[in-house]
Amino acid sequence: DAMVIQNPRYQVTQFGKPVTLSCSQTLNHNVMYWYQQKSSQAPKLLFHYYDKDFNNEADTPDNFQSRRPNTSFCFLDIRSPGLGDAAMYLCATSRGQGDRNSPLHFGNGTRLTVT
Amino acid sequence: AQSVTQLDSHVSVSEGTPVLLRCNYSSSYSPSLFWYVQHPNKGLQLLLKYTSAATLVKGINGFEAEFKKSETSFHLTKPSAHMSDAAEYFCVVSEGTALIFGKGTTLSVSS
Repeated sequence: DAMVIQNPRYQVTQFGKPVTLSCSQTLNHNVMYWYQQKSSQAPKLLFHYYDKDFNNEADTPDNFQSRRPNTSFCFLDIRSPGLGDAAMYLCATSRGQGDRNSPLHFGNGTRLTVT
Repeated sequence: AQSVTQLDSHVSVSEGTPVLLRCNYSSSYSPSLFWYVQHPNKGLQLLLKYTSAATLVKGINGFEAEFKKSETSFHLTKPSAHMSDAAEYFCVVSEGTALIFGKGTTLSVSS
């Protein structure tokens, strides 16, 4: 009964070849997040959507873009992947940006390999 | 500025013995605190959360944590480790819209 679903679980792409990762949720949460997690590190927030409002972290490279066509779906686009972009990408949702007590609900992640 | 420090990068215990994973935080306000667990190649799962109610918080899988304001700590404990507890554990502090992750503690459980 997964509520935050990421596809695919494993993605291999070539250096410089655009790739899209997808996330869907059945929780009807307002906020959707994308995190990048490299080996043995904590997740790093790339950006998040509060409804349709996009919020980019200051240090997120321009190479990373996101789309949220509706409440349920959110996409992460990497325009020109480099070897340093190989990581686990985690999607998460929460009820509301202003509710600091609201925990994050994570998907199982997509592990991206760049060859 | 808020921050989270997980005092041990790696903890090893034997099955059936107690688990202690340490977390200290700094926060200007009364924070919300969370512990998440991550098994290999999986997303993060919420273990428990503190939101200014009871200072002793019980979570899933027999874990609990105690909020100690005087010590600015939120340590995670379990009386008896199980092999399935082997995973990465993250302490997280929330203030308003910002979520700050600790660097994680790897828990190893031997038989």
